[in-house]
Formats: sequence, structure tokens, C-alpha cells
Amino acid sequence: LAKTTQPISMDSYEGQEVNITCSHNNIATNDYITWYQQFPSQGPRFIIQGYKTKVTNEVASLFIPADRKSSTLSLPRVSLSDTAVYYCLVGGDTGRRALTFGSGTRLQVQP
Amino acid sequence: NAGVTQTPKFRVLKTGQSMTLLCAQDMNHEYMYWYRQDPGMGLRLIHYSVGEGTTAKGEVPDGYNVSRLKKQNFLLGLESAAPSQTSVYFCASSRASPQETQYFGPGTRLLVL
Repeated sequence: LAKTTQPISMDSYEGQEVNITCSHNNIATNDYITWYQQFPSQGPRFIIQGYKTKVTNEVASLFIPADRKSSTLSLPRVSLSDTAVYYCLVGGDTGRRALTFGSGTRLQVQP
Repeated sequence: NAGVTQTPKFRVLKTGQSMTLLCAQDMNHEYMYWYRQDPGMGLRLIHYSVGEGTTAKGEVPDGYNVSRLKKQNFLLGLESAAPSQTSVYFCASSRASPQETQYFGPGTRLLVL
């Protein structure tokens, strides 16, 4: 299985940039890296996905180094509403390997 | 377009009772999944389906059965509930592979006494 390792928790203040790093040393050639966000009492929702280098959307950026053994989710200028758990997933097209959420990173944003 | 819906939202069972959780999606997705989430923990995959009539085991399949008789529905059954199955159950679906965006339902909170 493509196991991922993330920090258990992080704290930040409103307006700061937050970077959450995920380690995935066993990533396979066909694996993509996907990040989800989960608010309390809700199901996770997709944030961003990438394969290599950098991906940016209206919510976040994803940085992936050349060896792809880690990835960093970057949230620019966080607000209180960004307080949530963030999950890094690594997986391929089929089978169990695609579907391991791990324990996630609990981000707490303070005013 | 309701996305992914789950029924019921909350249920209390006694040990040994059985029940079925229903997941429905209206996005014509091929893949559907059942996860469980224990307090303060991440999601663990129970079973999943890659298409109508197919099912496969995930990380924690013991004590659960599933069926996908119709493409839009994915049922999760507990034949003999145990307190260890107290959890929040999430259903999700994705268009054509697990790598594609998974859309989650609101969850079913199950308490087994």
C-alpha cells in the first residue's frame, strides 16, 4: 500500500499561509496525489490533485518535488473557516491502493 | 441533482440486530465506496464497487456485506451488529476511477448498544 505520513495537527492564525506536507515514499509511477478537506460532521470534499511539479486552483496550491516522495498542500491567507482536517491520498486507478485516507492533519486557525 | 444521499442519518441498534444502510447517487458514477470513521480517526474503507453487480473488500470488511444491484445504489449491511461497529459511515462515489474526485454523502451515525 502507498502509505502516507502527515503531521497530526497544525496551528495557524488568520491571514497566514499554511503548508501541510505529506510523505509518500512508496508512491508508484501511476499514482496521483489528492488532497481532501473535512469539516466536523461532514464528509470529506476534494481540494486539489496533482501528479508532478505544481498545481494551483482557486482554493490551494500543490507542490510536488521531482522524486514525488512528498507533496505540500499550500493554503494562502487562511481564515477561520479553513479549520478542518486535511487528508493526503496517494493511489492509482484500481484496487485497494487508491483508497487509503490515513489519519489526516487537523488544522486549527486562530483569530 | 442531489449528489450522494444516505439513509438513515442516525440509528441506534442493539447488539445482534441487523440493518441496512442505503447510499444513492444521481451522477451516473461507476465507483461507489463505503467508509467508516471512528471518533478522531481518519476514514477506513469497508467495501467498494467498480460497477453495477460488482463489489470488493476494502481495509476493514469483516462484519459487513454490500450489494450493488443498481448502478445508482450501494447498500451496506450489518448482519449482527456489535458495539465495535459504532461509528459514522460515509458513502462516496467517483466517475470512473478512485483517483477521480470522490463525492461524499452526509454520513450515517450508528450507535450499537
